[in-house]
Amino acid sequence: GESVGLHLPTLSVQEGDNSIINCAYSNSASDYFIWYKQESGKGPQFIIDIRSNMDKRQGQRVTVLLNKTVKHLSLQIAATQPGDSAVYFCAELKGSRLTFGEGTQLTVNP
Amino acid sequence: DAGVIQSPRHEVTEMGQEVTLRCKPISGHNSLFWYRQTMMRGLELLIYFNNNVPIDDSGMPEDRFSAKMPNASFSTLKIQPSEPRDSAVYFCASSLRDRVSGYTFGSGTRLTVV
Repeated sequence: GESVGLHLPTLSVQEGDNSIINCAYSNSASDYFIWYKQESGKGPQFIIDIRSNMDKRQGQRVTVLLNKTVKHLSLQIAATQPGDSAVYFCAELKGSRLTFGEGTQLTVNP
Repeated sequence: DAGVIQSPRHEVTEMGQEVTLRCKPISGHNSLFWYRQTMMRGLELLIYFNNNVPIDDSGMPEDRFSAKMPNASFSTLKIQPSEPRDSAVYFCASSLRDRVSGYTFGSGTRLTVV
């Protein structure tokens, strides 16, 4: 069936480096693609979204890129900080239905 | 706003018992969602409501699971009878329909069925 999934389960970076978290999707009919951050013991927290007809969107220290040709989504975090350590999920929104990918554990080393 | 409020935070119950999880959405939000998170299956959508009406319950695993939303400020997810494989973290989320960034999750209920 259609699904959203992640390439890598873990990513370890040095503090201050840039992080790139990737996601592959298969449902081309989604309205939005969204990145969530989940810290231990908490629910997912919205980071940034991108409409399906866009290819790039920037936020504060984060950038989301959407490549519809290869059905690939990425989240770039600039100057990664220890507080960025968490599990990151990509998700797709179609109507009111939000479907999550598997998650990538980001670890930031001091 | 206090955000989405779930209770209890932790629940340990014996197999066969009834379990009720509770959720208070953000005031003014008109969509409510129940998710289940496990290591094996990740975050799964169980059911969602728009304006207190169940719209899609295709993710509810079995008849043992039921969800209600009697009013705009309260929802329950009930498991009867509970089984060890139901052990997971259950999240409630609410949103203002069509507001992508407004999708807000609660802190979850960690359910352990022994």
